Amino acid sequence: GQSLEQPSEVTAVEGAIVQINCTYQTSGFYGLSWYQQHDGGAPTFLSYNGLDGLEETGRFSSFLSRSDSYGYLLLQELQMKDSASYFCVASGSGNTGKLIFGQGTTLQVKP
Amino acid sequence: DTAVSQTPKYLVTQMGNDKSIKCEQNLGHDTMYWYKQDSKKFLKIMFSYNNKELIINETVPNRFSPKSPDKAHLNLHINSLELGDSAVYFCASSQGQRTDTDTQYFGPGTRLTVL
Repeated sequence: GQSLEQPSEVTAVEGAIVQINCTYQTSGFYGLSWYQQHDGGAPTFLSYNGLDGLEETGRFSSFLSRSDSYGYLLLQELQMKDSASYFCVASGSGNTGKLIFGQGTTLQVKP
Repeated sequence: DTAVSQTPKYLVTQMGNDKSIKCEQNLGHDTMYWYKQDSKKFLKIMFSYNNKELIINETVPNRFSPKSPDKAHLNLHINSLELGDSAVYFCASSQGQRTDTDTQYFGPGTRLTVL
């Protein structure tokens, strides 16, 4: 089957660093993306890893290890506005636009 | 100025009714999608169209019928609505179909409640 596992909730304080892990099992795996969704809002793209290694975009970094079927999203210098759900997303069935979403991790940032 | 727009934002209806949700994108993209997000926030792809041609058709009841009159529009018609259809439906678009280079941009969602 196709599945992604990520923690359901994470809590951290402003200014801290948090890592959200994701393990996946998908057929035709092509790459791993991360999307952010605020309550009542639309999912928005954060990052994509097609190759093993670390991708950095400002305060956010994402990592992929294909051999371990594992990735993570690292958020640094947390801000209150980072409170949201974060979805680990696998590109399944090859490079065809089919995204398979994990259940999402709700991040709560506290003052 | 909205890149991907959907109407209506909220839809409350009775079981058994037929309803449509409309989606439009002004990004000039070739590919559009419909996703369903359930009450547990699980987001699942339903359909995708590329230049008005159906590309992805997941295991969705045939009560759901997408229609793409042109590449800027993708509508979703739902017949004989059931309680389990209650969810948030998101439209999305991307330049092409490649997930490595073609970021998907989501609309604001349509919250459908079936009573």
